[in-house]
Amino acid sequence: QLQLQGSGPGLVKPSETLSLTCTVSGGSISSSTHYWGWVRQPPGKGLEWIGHIYYTGTTYYNPSLKSRVSISVDTSKNQFSLRLSSVAAADAAIYYCARHGIYFPFDSWAPGTLVTVSS
Amino acid sequence: DIQMTQSPSTLSAYIGDRVTITCRASQSISDSLAWYQQKPGKAPVLLIYRASNLESGVPSRFSGSGSGTDFTLTISSLQPDDFATYYCQRYKDYPYTFGQGTNLEIK
Repeated sequence: QLQLQGSGPGLVKPSETLSLTCTVSGGSISSSTHYWGWVRQPPGKGLEWIGHIYYTGTTYYNPSLKSRVSISVDTSKNQFSLRLSSVAAADAAIYYCARHGIYFPFDSWAPGTLVTVSS
Repeated sequence: DIQMTQSPSTLSAYIGDRVTITCRASQSISDSLAWYQQKPGKAPVLLIYRASNLESGVPSRFSGSGSGTDFTLTISSLQPDDFATYYCQRYKDYPYTFGQGTNLEIK
């Protein structure tokens, strides 16, 4: 059964770069039928799509974050990663990694990683 | 960008009630609409895809309908496990966008 697990620092200083990794188990990240993405949720608020990546490295980003976000994939480790630069208090959120099929919504999610932005 | 607007933001209902949540797109998205359920401290769970298709394992009391700009999620007979927050999501075209959520509370 497919499982995703996010990991990374739970505390990031303002103006620094947030880095998270999602490890996929029970399935291959090199699937030709799926994308691997990130969604975030500020405490008590709604969901925001950040972006996603195909195993070939093709990426799609939310225009509202595009200048600061980068998603990469490491097929040898069955992992994909998120980097968000120049973080501010508004970037504090639970960050979810998730899978979705081509022309299909997110059908498998990691439990979520809480990231706090504070000096 | 296409905006997704859900209503109501909060809904109070009794066990056994039939409830409907609405999601409206600011322009046509065909049937590229999903519904998720999220409980406190948990990741969202996919309920409905392509506007009206029930995800495997989801109880049949959940149903979705609509196309174009207007969509609904209906729960035919509320169960205790259904009290949660529900989100619609536009997918297939970019950027993917979620509605602001509907908090379904016990009355």
